[in-house]
Amino acid sequence: GQNIDQPTEMTATEGAIVQINCTYQTSGFNGLFWYQQHAGEAPTFLSYNVLDGLEEKGRFSSFLSRSKGYSYLLLKELQMKDSASYLCAVGTGNQFYFGTGTSLTVIP
Amino acid sequence: EAQVTQNPRYLITVTGKKLTVTCSQNMNHEYMSWYRQDPGLGLRQIYYSMNVEVTDKGDVPEGYKVSRKEKRNFPLILESPSPNQTSLYFCASSGPLTQYFGPGTRLLVL
Repeated sequence: GQNIDQPTEMTATEGAIVQINCTYQTSGFNGLFWYQQHAGEAPTFLSYNVLDGLEEKGRFSSFLSRSKGYSYLLLKELQMKDSASYLCAVGTGNQFYFGTGTSLTVIP
Repeated sequence: EAQVTQNPRYLITVTGKKLTVTCSQNMNHEYMSWYRQDPGLGLRQIYYSMNVEVTDKGDVPEGYKVSRKEKRNFPLILESPSPNQTSLYFCASSGPLTQYFGPGTRLLVL
């Protein structure tokens, strides 16, 4: 089966840096995706990694190690609006598998 | 504006009454899919379609049907809904590197 694990909840302070980890065990790998989902809304794309290493996009960065089945999403200079769920997803073959999401709360 | 639309956004129905949730995209994507999202279980893929007239089962297809007669539309059909199909449903359309999600349909089956 496919297994994608991420922490259920995290709390961080406004202006700080937070790292959300994701580990996966899947049969096949086409890429790893991170999405942001605010309560009651649709997920929106944040980042995509297919090769090992760090991809940086403004305040958000994502890292992938395929040999370890590991990724993280790094959020810098946290803002209150970053309070949301962050979903890790793996593409395999023609399908996508999602973790259960990490609910991030940013406190003043 | 690139978008995925779903209708209805909210639906309350009763067990056994057939319903269809429509999904449409304007990005000319070949790949489309349906997900359900439940607390503690995350997003799970129900069905996906690689192109017109090509559909395949995802992880949780039981109780659902889909069709893909045109590239832009990918309706989800519940022929005989049951209470365990109460959920939040998302349609998605995939470009080369990402999926674009519709706004979601919140379904309650009594």
